[in-house]
Amino acid sequence: DIQMTQSPSSLSASVGDRVTITCRASQSISSYLNWYQQEPGKAPKLLIYAASGLQSGVPSRFSGSGSGTDFTLTISSLQPEDFATYYCQQSYSTPTITFGQGTRLEIK
Amino acid sequence: QVQLQQSGPGLVKPSQTLSLTCAISGDGVSSNSAAWNWIRQSPSRGLEWLGRTYQRSKWYNDYALSVKSRITINPDTSKNQFSLQLNSVTPEDTAVYYCARDIGRGLDVWGQGTTVTVSS
Repeated sequence: DIQMTQSPSSLSASVGDRVTITCRASQSISSYLNWYQQEPGKAPKLLIYAASGLQSGVPSRFSGSGSGTDFTLTISSLQPEDFATYYCQQSYSTPTITFGQGTRLEIK
Repeated sequence: QVQLQQSGPGLVKPSQTLSLTCAISGDGVSSNSAAWNWIRQSPSRGLEWLGRTYQRSKWYNDYALSVKSRITINPDTSKNQFSLQLNSVTPEDTAVYYCARDIGRGLDVWGQGTTVTVSS
C-alpha cells in the first residue's frame, strides 16, 4: 500500500496566522491527493481534491498544491472554526485508498 | 443535496457479524458515476478504507486485503441503500464506521458515523 506521512503531527497557531501542512507519499501519486478536515465527533469533510481543486462551499482561504510525492495544504488566515484535524488521502491506487495519520491544529 | 444516513447496532459480540446500513438520499446507489464506500476510524489504525460497491455495466465490489476474507458490501436498489457486513469480529474491529460517496474527486459526502464496540 502507498504510505502517506503528514507533518507536523500537531501544530499550535493563532487566529489570523498562515498555516501549512505537509503530506508526503511513499511513491509518486501524480495529483491524486485529497485533503479533509475533521472536527471532534464529526465525519471528515472534503476540502481539496486532485491536489489543488477547491471543493464547492469551502472557503478560499484553503488551498492545496503539489504533485508527485510532496503536497501542501495552506490556510491563508486562520479562523476560529479552522481548529480541527486535517488528513491527506491518496486516490492513485484506487480502490485501495490510504490516509495520512492526521495533523491536529490547535489554538495557541 | 446528497445525504447518507447510517443505521445499525453499536455493540457486537466477539465472533459475531457486524452489520451496518447506509441509506442514500439525493443520489442513487445505481449511479454510473458514483462508488459507495465503507471506511472506519480507530485510534490504533487511523482512517482505514474497507471496501466499496458500484455499478457501471454491472455491479462491482472491491475490498481491502486486511478484511477481504470477512467483508461483504451489498447494494439494495429497492431501498436505495448499501450495507456492510463484517464477519468474525474481534475487539480490533472496534471503531467508528463511516459510509461515503466517491464521484472521482475525493470522498465528497459522508454518513454521520456509527461507533461500533466489539465486546462480550
